[in-house]
Amino acid sequence: EAGVAQSPRYKIIEKRQSVAFWCNPISGHATLYWYQQILGQGPKLLIQFQNNGVVDDSQLPKDRFSAERLKGVDSTLKIQPAKLEDSAVYLCASSFQGMTYNEQFFGPGTRLTVL
Amino acid sequence: GNSVTQMEGPVTLSEEAFLTINCTYTATGYPSLFWYVQYPGEGLQLLLKATKADDKGSNKGFEATYRKETTSFHLEKGSVQVSDSAVYFCALSDGGNQFYFGTGTSLTVIP
Repeated sequence: EAGVAQSPRYKIIEKRQSVAFWCNPISGHATLYWYQQILGQGPKLLIQFQNNGVVDDSQLPKDRFSAERLKGVDSTLKIQPAKLEDSAVYLCASSFQGMTYNEQFFGPGTRLTVL
Repeated sequence: GNSVTQMEGPVTLSEEAFLTINCTYTATGYPSLFWYVQYPGEGLQLLLKATKADDKGSNKGFEATYRKETTSFHLEKGSVQVSDSAVYFCALSDGGNQFYFGTGTSLTVIP
């Protein structure tokens, strides 16, 4: 079974530039998550999708971050414009709706460096 | 609200030493508890889980027991190997798809 795919793996940009990350979840997984993991910290949920609808985006900085999952499969996360404090690893995860404990499967992450 | 507190690292052990990484949680209701491992340059991988009180999760020689009375889920391994060097995250799920992660504990095992 293929895992969660993310691209790119690494990205270096200058502040005020824009950047986009892509995620393809495990086939059949209805729920998709984007996390931000700052160095030395645990992952922080940015947004959760159930199919193509947003379940929770309470911690997404909506003035600069946006995310979509138009067809309920793959998803993109965009930052526009980027700030220095956005330097982090952006993790995508997916889970199969209906499991009692909703195990999340993570992709390898995209490491963003903002200069 | 829900939260997870892990012991701070980094932890450095010699090969074959005993490992304990402490994790305590605060939650309403009956959460499920997890340990995830993150090897260098990789994403998080589920190491083990427990879904109800007194359950013991185990995998690859690691164990953790869901203790409701002490709200703890400590990770243990009897004999660590160099290949166990990674960052370990304790997490809980409140059943609503929301996961809460600890800050992670870095483990380095030296030969």
